[in-house]
This record gives sequence, C-alpha cells and structure tokens, in this order.
Amino acid sequence: DSGVTQTPKHLITATGQRVTLRCSPRSGDLSVYWYQQSLDQGLQFLIQYYNGEERAKGNILERFSAQQFPDLHSELNLSSLELGDSALYFCASSESTGGGTDTQYFGPGTRLTVL
Amino acid sequence: AQKVTQAQTEISVVEKEDVTLDCVYETRDTTYYLFWYKQPPSGELVFLIRRNSFDEQNEISGRYSWNFQKSTSSFNFTITASQVVDSAVYFCALSERYTGRRALTFGSGTRLQVQP
Repeated sequence: DSGVTQTPKHLITATGQRVTLRCSPRSGDLSVYWYQQSLDQGLQFLIQYYNGEERAKGNILERFSAQQFPDLHSELNLSSLELGDSALYFCASSESTGGGTDTQYFGPGTRLTVL
Repeated sequence: AQKVTQAQTEISVVEKEDVTLDCVYETRDTTYYLFWYKQPPSGELVFLIRRNSFDEQNEISGRYSWNFQKSTSSFNFTITASQVVDSAVYFCALSERYTGRRALTFGSGTRLQVQP
C-alpha cells in the first residue's frame, strides 16, 4: 500500500459527460501528479500540483482540468468525454517539487470507461 | 527531448530462470533520475528503485539487481531465480533535474510472464 488513495476505483459513463476523479496524497507529500495510462499512448504525464499551485503541465487536453485543495487532496476533472478518454488514471505523490530528487508513489488508479 | 525505450514488449520464462529487462534512455540534462516500477495484474504501480545519474554503482535487493551504465545510457533490471509472483509489466522511467521535465517519462513497458 503506497499510502496514496484514489476514488472511485471504477467509473463508467457516457460520451459528452463530465466526471471528477479524486486523489489523496501520502501524509506529508506536497506534490500531486496525474498520469493517464491507455493502450495506445502508454503512461503519460498530465499535470502536477505542488502545495496548491500548478507546477507542470504535460499532455493534458483542454477538456481536462485539475486542482489541489488546501488539505492537499487533488481532483482531476474530465469533461465532454469521448470514447478515447477511456483509460486508467493514476495519481502519484511526492514529498517536494519532483525532478527526481524524490520518489513518486502511485495510487491504485481509477479506471474510466466511456461508452 | 527525453525518451525511454524498452525494446522487449513481452518476455516469457520458466520459474527459476534469470531474466533481464532492458531500458535505454535519452536525455540532455546533466542530472537525471531513473526508476523502475512494477505493475502486477491488479493494476497498481509499485515503486522498485530510484537511481541518480551520479551513482553508477549497481544495486542488489534480494533477487532483484540493477545495472546502470551511463556510457550506453542503459539501466537494466535483472530478476534472479524468477517466480510466478514476478509476472507483471515492468516500466522504466526517467525524470530530469534542470531541463524542466520533472515528471516521469515512462517507457512502453515489458510484460514478464513467469510460467510455473
């Protein structure tokens, strides 16, 4: 158990809908990262927050957004969902700002299925 | 740009065999970090090791060992006396210290099947 929690574990929804994925980092970790794992794209970095502020952006679509709250939990919002958004979404956390100086620990993931 | 290549898509071995998973990386940063993660059938990503670019010492942890060679930009992972529980997808990943890519860049993964 990494100490990172993600809810829900599974999510099934329809095209055009909006969903919110939630992540709680390990106790003491200030950084939260979101990654998407799909069959065709592999594991891709979406976005990072550090202590409530956006720190880095990866291949995140404009339809997707995220935020980190004062209690350090984070939410990833996916809107106008398309079939191709079906994937496993991981949250990871680390102690500081990343850059490899600290290790990212991953949550169990949320499997999103868009029908 | 940074890149991680895991050329072996799938490897199948019989229990007790040794197996090496290859990882080759590209980076322009002078300071970088390499990782291995394991994804068992249950789906979670489990951290195995982190190695920084200044430390080329090989590491051994039980049946696992890692060979980091800066000269060939490789960070290979060997499982000795493999067991069925080692069956998983293994990912090699890279992050950089100074050039801005602090999140992980993953390879495409190697699926290891250990047959009893």
